[in-house]
Amino acid sequence: AQSVTQLGSHVSVSEGALVLLRCNYSSSVPPYLFWYVQYPNQGLQLLLKYTSAATLVKGINGFEAEFKKSETSFHLTKPSAHMSDAAEYFCAVRDPGGNTGKLIFGQGTTLQVKP
Amino acid sequence: DGGITQSPKYLFRKEGQNVTLSCEQNLNHDAMYWYRQDPGQGLRLIYYSQIVNDFQKGDIAEGYSVSREKKESFPLTVTSAQKNPTAFYLCASSTGTASNQPQHFGDGTRLSIL
Repeated sequence: AQSVTQLGSHVSVSEGALVLLRCNYSSSVPPYLFWYVQYPNQGLQLLLKYTSAATLVKGINGFEAEFKKSETSFHLTKPSAHMSDAAEYFCAVRDPGGNTGKLIFGQGTTLQVKP
Repeated sequence: DGGITQSPKYLFRKEGQNVTLSCEQNLNHDAMYWYRQDPGQGLRLIYYSQIVNDFQKGDIAEGYSVSREKKESFPLTVTSAQKNPTAFYLCASSTGTASNQPQHFGDGTRLSIL
């Protein structure tokens, strides 16, 4: 079965520091991976998606993620954190079984940005 | 603007009562989904529909029901059989079930018990 593990339920960085949010997946087939961001009491907004065209994926708001097959990872990074980046971040993998379009989500990582 | 509209934003349920959460999309998407979000547990799939008049159970369908009579609408009913309904409910849609298509989300409905 597919699964997603996000290491660290809370990550705290200073404004201007590097942001690194970790995501590891398990998949028996080439995965389709997504990162979403959620602000308080709102829905999820797509940050970026990996669909095998390139291993380094650039998304919105200066975020990017690198797909590493050997490490089964898809970590999210941003060179310089901004206060507005404080939110919860979810990594998700498409369930390949049955062509349902179902997404399997990680537990989420809350990013705190300190001034 | 195209998007997904969920209503109401906040909802309260009394014991033994059924409540219905609305989800409407004007993105012309075929597939629609309902997720439940609890703190520290990510999102869990309740029901999904790939086409009008058809839907399937997700991972936690017990105590919930849905209908898909129109392409634009996918309402979720939380029945009295759902003993722990307090959660944040998110509706999503996508153009289809092809693997590289992202899901687009509404702003959610927060359900609480009176």
